Amino acid sequence: DTAVSQTPKYLVTQMGNDKSIKCEQNLGHDTMYWYKQDSKKFLKIMFSYNNKELIINETVPNRFSPKSPDKAHLNLHINSLELGDSAVYFCASSSGGGPDTQYFGPGTRLTVL
Amino acid sequence: KQEVTQIPAALSVPEGENLVLNCSFTDSAIYNLQWFRQDPGKGLTSLLLIQSSQREQTSGRLNASLDKSSGRSTLYIAASQPGDSATYLCAVFTSGTYKYIFGTGTRLKVLA
Repeated sequence: DTAVSQTPKYLVTQMGNDKSIKCEQNLGHDTMYWYKQDSKKFLKIMFSYNNKELIINETVPNRFSPKSPDKAHLNLHINSLELGDSAVYFCASSSGGGPDTQYFGPGTRLTVL
Repeated sequence: KQEVTQIPAALSVPEGENLVLNCSFTDSAIYNLQWFRQDPGKGLTSLLLIQSSQREQTSGRLNASLDKSSGRSTLYIAASQPGDSATYLCAVFTSGTYKYIFGTGTRLKVLA
C-alpha cells in the first residue's frame, strides 16, 4: 500500500488558472507538509499542518492555500498560476510535528505555460 | 539562519568503490540530521536519521557520521553498486524551529 500518495502526478496548465493538488497518507501520522522543489532541485518547506492545525507557513504568496479536511489529507490549492510556480511539489508526513522521520509522496510536477 | 551545503554536487564512480558524501551546516544547534535518497521522478526516502547526541548511525552498507560542533556530517557508502545511483540529500532540524532545512544534494552515478 502506498504510504503517502499525491494526485495528479503531472499537471500542465496555463498562466492565470487555478489548480489543486491532493495528498493523502495512510500512516496514521499527525503532521503533514508541502514542499517545493525548484528546477535546481532545491527543496524548501512551504506549509505544515499538525492535526489539521497550521504550524508552519513559510514566506509563500497567498495565492497558495493549503486545506486539511482531516489529519490524513492535506490539499494544496493555487490561484492565478504564474510561470514561476512551475516546480515539483512534494507532500510528506511524520508521526509528530518535530524532528521525526519524514515520509514523502512521489511528487506532482507542475508546469505553467 | 541555517544554511546546508553538500559537496560535491555530482559524483561519478566505478562500481565497487567506497565513497563519502559531505554535508555541512552553519548553525550547530540541531536536533538531528537526516540523509535522504531521491531517485529521478520519485519522492524522497529517508535513509538514516542521526540524533544530535549520536556520533554515527549505520544501515547496511551506509554509515552516517555527525560532528555537530564543526557543523558536518558524512554519508559513507561501502562497495557502491549501480543501484545506488540517485541524488542524496541531507536535512537538518534546527532547535527552535519546526522544520527541516535541506541541502543542495549530491547526484551520484555508479558505473557498472
